[in-house]
Amino acid sequence: DTAVSQTPKYLVTQMGNDKSIKCEQNLGHDTMYWYKQDSKKFLKIMFSYNNKELIINETVPNRFSPKSPDKAHLNLHINSLELGDSAVYFCASSFRDRDSQYFGPGTRLTVL
Amino acid sequence: QKEVEQDPGPLSVPEGAIVSLNCTYSNSAFQYFMWYRQYSRKGPELLMYTYSSGNKEDGRFTAQVDKSSKYISLFIRDSQPSDSATYLCAMTSSGGGADGLTFGKGTHLIIQP
Repeated sequence: DTAVSQTPKYLVTQMGNDKSIKCEQNLGHDTMYWYKQDSKKFLKIMFSYNNKELIINETVPNRFSPKSPDKAHLNLHINSLELGDSAVYFCASSFRDRDSQYFGPGTRLTVL
Repeated sequence: QKEVEQDPGPLSVPEGAIVSLNCTYSNSAFQYFMWYRQYSRKGPELLMYTYSSGNKEDGRFTAQVDKSSKYISLFIRDSQPSDSATYLCAMTSSGGGADGLTFGKGTHLIIQP
């Protein structure tokens, strides 16, 4: 009965590879987010989607492409991975008319 | 100047003490405030949500907001070793709207048994 789930939990890959992270929520929320937490633990918004529509696209390289097939899913595809992409990526969800966001367990990405 | 300032700690207190965690912010557009708890290698967990100046209490936790001073606090009473975690303040300007949250860097709290 996990509320917000992400796969994989860990991802180790080489520079230049392409990888995807998947997120699913079963809370009935209509809005989903991707955040990046860097090595200094600073958590920063990357994207938000409402009803499959992109709402926020912060200053993120266009190697990062989110995709939302439906309200319950938001995936993150990353092309041409770089060392600086190493971080923990968190998915979150909420209702659009509420501010309380619920986070997944995170995906720890390591680029070698 | 960062939008949200939070002392990273670590803050170490004995079990049973009252803990005070604080954030200051510079953007007066922020109107909605949250506190999250994050255990090591886990996702942030929502603890408190408030949007008005004043106090909000939930069990051992009290969130306090002073919009005039741009200052928010989280108090933990009767602290327990299980409260040891990183506490993140977060805020947003919207009352909904799918905006991302702006986070502080988090305070690492250690409760000594």
